[in-house]
Amino acid sequence: SQQGEEDPQALSIQEGENATMNCSYKTSINNLQWYRQNSGRGLVHLILIRSNEREKHSGRLRVTLDTSKKSSSLLITASRAADTASYFCATASNAGKSTFGDGTTLTVKP
Amino acid sequence: DTEVTQTPKHLVMGMTNKKSLKCEQHMGHRAMYWYKQKAKKPPELMFVYSYEKLSINESVPSRFSPECPNSSLLNLHLHALQPEDSALYLCASSQTVVRGPNQPQHFGDGTRLSIL
Repeated sequence: SQQGEEDPQALSIQEGENATMNCSYKTSINNLQWYRQNSGRGLVHLILIRSNEREKHSGRLRVTLDTSKKSSSLLITASRAADTASYFCATASNAGKSTFGDGTTLTVKP
Repeated sequence: DTEVTQTPKHLVMGMTNKKSLKCEQHMGHRAMYWYKQKAKKPPELMFVYSYEKLSINESVPSRFSPECPNSSLLNLHLHALQPEDSALYLCASSQTVVRGPNQPQHFGDGTRLSIL
């Protein structure tokens, strides 16, 4: 199975609600990154959390990392219709290889 | 608008054709990547170039041939592709590929490739 597995696979919420998605990985990491992909577009980098960090914030985004459980979560607060997209976690090796999780498809209904 | 430009946006080709995908960035990044993405799946790494040298080839079939003519350009030459190669091909760049924390990657919007 892939390094970087996410759940849920799909999430549908109302505008204004919070959205939480989770990522688990298997090997040791240097950092973990979250990306967003709108339909038909490339990926956009959202946030990077290093292996020695436990929590990081960027605007409406909050990312946590638990290296003992090999897991991370992405929280989007006060969601908007424009947040509708697929969200991927990615882990990076020393050699520069990034491996993406299966992704969570988020639908925010207006 | 993305800072990584990929051309063409769409490409339809037969199995005997030869075509090339192009990627360009002017952010001074020294690492560039090719990914393949099938529908509703995550991107899969194909190649990594670091300082214009191929550093990672993820056992990609030889019908895909990458080329990095200079630090701003990355090409992917295609020849004798199969229908299962139909996918979105994404190019990305990052500042460097170094030991330690990796830099965020900047992606283009991809080339949607269809093999007839």
